Amino acid sequence: NAGVTQTPKFRILKIGQSMTLQCTQDMNHNYMYWYRQDPGMGLKLIYYSVGAGITDKGEVPNGYNVSRSTTEDFPLRLELAAPSQTSVYFCASSYSMRQGREQYFGPGTRLTVT
Amino acid sequence: AQSVAQPEDQVNVAEGNPLTVKCTYSVSGNPYLFWYVQYPNRGLQFLLKYITGDNLVKGSYGFEAEFNKSQTSFHLKKPSALVSDSALYFCAVTSLGSSNTGKLIFGQGTTLQVKP
Repeated sequence: NAGVTQTPKFRILKIGQSMTLQCTQDMNHNYMYWYRQDPGMGLKLIYYSVGAGITDKGEVPNGYNVSRSTTEDFPLRLELAAPSQTSVYFCASSYSMRQGREQYFGPGTRLTVT
Repeated sequence: AQSVAQPEDQVNVAEGNPLTVKCTYSVSGNPYLFWYVQYPNRGLQFLLKYITGDNLVKGSYGFEAEFNKSQTSFHLKKPSALVSDSALYFCAVTSLGSSNTGKLIFGQGTTLQVKP
């Protein structure tokens, strides 16, 4: 079982460049999430989606965009990359949060903006 | 506002000794509580959760956690630590608000170091 996959694993961007972080899950989960992890700060929610065609902002959405055209895919777009976006990005999915279902995480993308 | 606190940045224990990683939370409504573990350069892995019922919940790799409503705590425990338990541990909380999206709020993480 692949679970949640993310590409790329690592990326270095120059200031002002843009890129898309890919996330795919094969568990038919409706809920998908993007987090960023900064040292000593835990995980912060960037965007989430409760199903195809439905997305909403989390705690730290500025500088990012998402789309959800299919159940499986939830790409995260960085426009005009800034050094403050240097972080490790995790995608996650869950069947539901109504019954307190746990989230499944991908392996992460380590992004450096210089 | 929902919040989670993990008061210790690092916990050090000797192999074979019991371990406790602390977590306190603040939510409106009934909490759903989770523990995740992160090994170096890996994503988070689910360990256990409290939804309702018995206050003592058992999870993967011999870990357990005790929900204490009066102290708003959900401490992670293991009777006998292994060197392989060394990792970063996250507590997380959510509750069902009007939006029903159940967004997780994470603590800042506690590094567990188990020494041989």
